[in-house]
Amino acid sequence: DTEVTQTPKHLVMGMTNKKSLKCEQHMGHRAMYWYKQKAKKPPELMFVYSYEKLSINESVPSRFSPECPNSSLLNLHLHALQPEDSALYLCASSQGGTSEMSQETQYFGPGTRLLVL
Amino acid sequence: GENVEQHPSTLSVQEGDSAVIKCTYSDSASNYFPWYKQELGKGPQLIIDIRSNVGEKKDQRIAVTLNKTAKHFSLHITETQPEDSAVYFCAATPYDKIIFGKGTRLHILP
Repeated sequence: DTEVTQTPKHLVMGMTNKKSLKCEQHMGHRAMYWYKQKAKKPPELMFVYSYEKLSINESVPSRFSPECPNSSLLNLHLHALQPEDSALYLCASSQGGTSEMSQETQYFGPGTRLLVL
Repeated sequence: GENVEQHPSTLSVQEGDSAVIKCTYSDSASNYFPWYKQELGKGPQLIIDIRSNVGEKKDQRIAVTLNKTAKHFSLHITETQPEDSAVYFCAATPYDKIIFGKGTRLHILP
């Protein structure tokens, strides 16, 4: 099973709402990632978790709050977002445990398309 | 800083013909070069990758070549089919980062 699942598929929220995006994988991977992708652009890395610990935060605004409850789950909590945060949010996972995780194959989920009004 | 240039941004080829997408990277620390295909409404999916200890890798109709000296790598798709229509991203991985190219939108014409 090489599947990464994400819920919800679509999300519309107002600037005062609080919502969460969820990601799950059952490949036994120990590294999980959040990316943001705007239309016609490549994915931009937001956060990396390694063995359930936050290892990389690419200077993402605090209105995005990641959480890794266990090795299979990754959440992204959203609060007080801006319209420019509207994008496709992608989760990915890789095996983990190597000294340079970037050298590992990453498996992406289908993404959550977020619209902030 | 690290940079990956990808060309062309759009490519239209007749069904059955070959398609070639080229990428160059700036940081010689990169040792792993994945290629991702992204169809409309889906997340990127790895289609092939190459590590710096080999110069070429092939998987059925897809091949990737790597020239570390020149810092460029290319994706070759032969006998293109309608289902090859998608956006393709190359990537380089210097140190603990993954740097994507800007993508190539491939159209397969009937």
